[in-house]
Amino acid sequence: GDSVTQMEGPVTLSEEAFLTINCTYTATGYPSLFWYVQYPGEGLQLLLKATKADDKGSNKGFEATYRKETTSFHLEKGSVQVSDSAVYFCALSWMDSSYKLIFGSGTRLLVRP
Amino acid sequence: NAGVTQTPKFRILKIGQSMTLQCTQDMNHNYMYWYRQDPGMGLKLIYYSVGAGITDKGEVPNGYNVSRSTTEDFPLRLELAAPSQTSVYFCASRGNTGELFFGEGSRLTVL
Repeated sequence: GDSVTQMEGPVTLSEEAFLTINCTYTATGYPSLFWYVQYPGEGLQLLLKATKADDKGSNKGFEATYRKETTSFHLEKGSVQVSDSAVYFCALSWMDSSYKLIFGSGTRLLVRP
Repeated sequence: NAGVTQTPKFRILKIGQSMTLQCTQDMNHNYMYWYRQDPGMGLKLIYYSVGAGITDKGEVPNGYNVSRSTTEDFPLRLELAAPSQTSVYFCASRGNTGELFFGEGSRLTVL
């Protein structure tokens, strides 16, 4: 079945460091891809998305490109801040009758001053 | 703007007890979902609904029931609570652009 695999955390970085969180997916066809972020004690919020191959999603300095040849959607940010500390979830969804999201296991990011 | 509201935020149950987690959204979204999040794991879909009067099972429905009598409300019922149901539960609704809007979560402990 469809699945999403993320790199295990926690990822610990110093402020202003470059961030990459790897995400790969297994699916038949070309689903939509998402990154959600969960801050401590809160629900998930959409960070960015891409709906077709080669699309680049971006928001708040974060970027991810939909690569169908490698079935990947890696999250990047050039310079992280302490406020970026959170858990990041990669997810896929089909635009079918249910629009269900399938989530990866999440990657915790800790940014130190 | 309230968005998706879940109650209660915290609850402790004894084994065998029953309870209902409430979820309400004020965005007039047709699609609603219940997920559970276990420590260090991603979210697993329990049940979902594509509109009032229509519900369907997700990945992990055993031990749960739902109803959808109105567009706004999507309660999740736990019958005969078990320790395996200790988790954080999230309700979500889907907007027109495909984004899911999540509630703040309900942390349930079964002892």
